[in-house]
Amino acid sequence: EIVLTQSPATLSLSPGERATLSCRASQSVSSSLAWYQQKPGQAPRLLIYDASNRATGIPARFSGSGSGTDFTLTISSLESEDFAVYYCQQRSNGPPTFGGGTKVEIK
Amino acid sequence: VQLLESGGGLVQPGGSLRLSCAASGFTFNSYSMRWVRQAPGKGLEWVSAITGSGGGTYYADSVKGRFTISRDNSKNTLYLQMNSLRAEDTALYYCARAALTASGSSQYYFDCWGQGTLVTVSS
Repeated sequence: EIVLTQSPATLSLSPGERATLSCRASQSVSSSLAWYQQKPGQAPRLLIYDASNRATGIPARFSGSGSGTDFTLTISSLESEDFAVYYCQQRSNGPPTFGGGTKVEIK
Repeated sequence: VQLLESGGGLVQPGGSLRLSCAASGFTFNSYSMRWVRQAPGKGLEWVSAITGSGGGTYYADSVKGRFTISRDNSKNTLYLQMNSLRAEDTALYYCARAALTASGSSQYYFDCWGQGTLVTVSS
């Protein structure tokens, strides 16, 4: 089973700042990596698939990059609605797995 | 596009529950479906998957032999039969739709999620 490790666990930033979230896989997942956003009391929402493709309706301030074992989700300028928990997910080999999440909180 | 889960509740260890997920707004039998759970205050865990026809089913090791996924395409409904429940099965259970490519190939990521139904296993 591929393990996804997200860092940092918590990111404290102010609105307007840039957020950089990391997801590292225990073995290569090629580009088969997705990112989700989850707000309190809500279901996850798909943001990015195949490492760098924005899902339908996702603002351009969200971008993804990486391949193999190292991936990054970047939020170019945080807006108030972006403070949430972000998860990465893969399904390259074996069962689908999720990372432990990064909480982006207001500083 | 909507997914609506039901069937959660409080059950004693060793007991059973059947979750349902009613789908609407899309061609249900074209999509593989998944169950994903989230223990209180924890992250996401994939539980089970089923192909559009229902002919293929897959399970996480943690639930294999205890849970059964199924679907009724005539009713646009996904199910999860949960037997021999344990305290560690306590979680919010989401049904989720696996995305499709333009050519109809099922993908690994989930483009639509329900709001979840809470399962609590406790004596």
